[in-house]
Amino acid sequence: AQKITQTQPGMFVQEKEAVTLDCTYDTSDQSYGLFWYKQPSSGEMIFLIYQGSYDEQNATEGRYSLNFQKARKSANLVISASQLGDSAMYFCARLRPHGSSNTGKLIFGQGTTLQVKP
Amino acid sequence: DAGITQSPRYKITETGRQVTLMCHQTWSHSYMFWYRQDLGHGLRLIYYSAAADITDKGEVPDGYVVSRSKTENFPLTLESATRSQTSVYFCASSSSLNTEAFFGQGTRLTVV
Repeated sequence: AQKITQTQPGMFVQEKEAVTLDCTYDTSDQSYGLFWYKQPSSGEMIFLIYQGSYDEQNATEGRYSLNFQKARKSANLVISASQLGDSAMYFCARLRPHGSSNTGKLIFGQGTTLQVKP
Repeated sequence: DAGITQSPRYKITETGRQVTLMCHQTWSHSYMFWYRQDLGHGLRLIYYSAAADITDKGEVPDGYVVSRSKTENFPLTLESATRSQTSVYFCASSSSLNTEAFFGQGTRLTVV
């Protein structure tokens, strides 16, 4: 099965410090997309960052960056300078591309709950 | 209003009843998805669709039916609801495979 694994059910970080949320995936595809989403306690899903498997540089979006290691099949999210509003659940997701047998299949990991301490 | 909307937001139904959750998007996105979210399982893909009249099973399709006769709508039907289908259901849409999926607000379904 092509799984997404987030091994950290819950994490704590001190405000203003950086934190890394782990994500590993299992795939035989050469081309795919990786996403991170944030889900605050209000329940909505908020897109954070995208990484294409053929992108040469790691994706960055403001305080979010993606530590992408294709050979290790990992796509860890790094949040710099944590803020209290970063407290939420974070999901990693992988998308199968055009040309694969399941084009457009977007699957998620189980999520990591992050709590930022003041 | 533009966006992706789900209805109803909350639903209580009885075991054995058929119930349909609606999802409507105004962007003409090609791709649409249905997920259920349960504690300890994250978001699990039920069904997805790459275009109108093209649907495919996800990770947990049993007990669910979808259709996509129009690009903008992607209803999810529970043919005979069971208590195990009590969950929060999310619909999402995406314009391409290189961009993010946008999510609806979710439908909280309780089967009693």
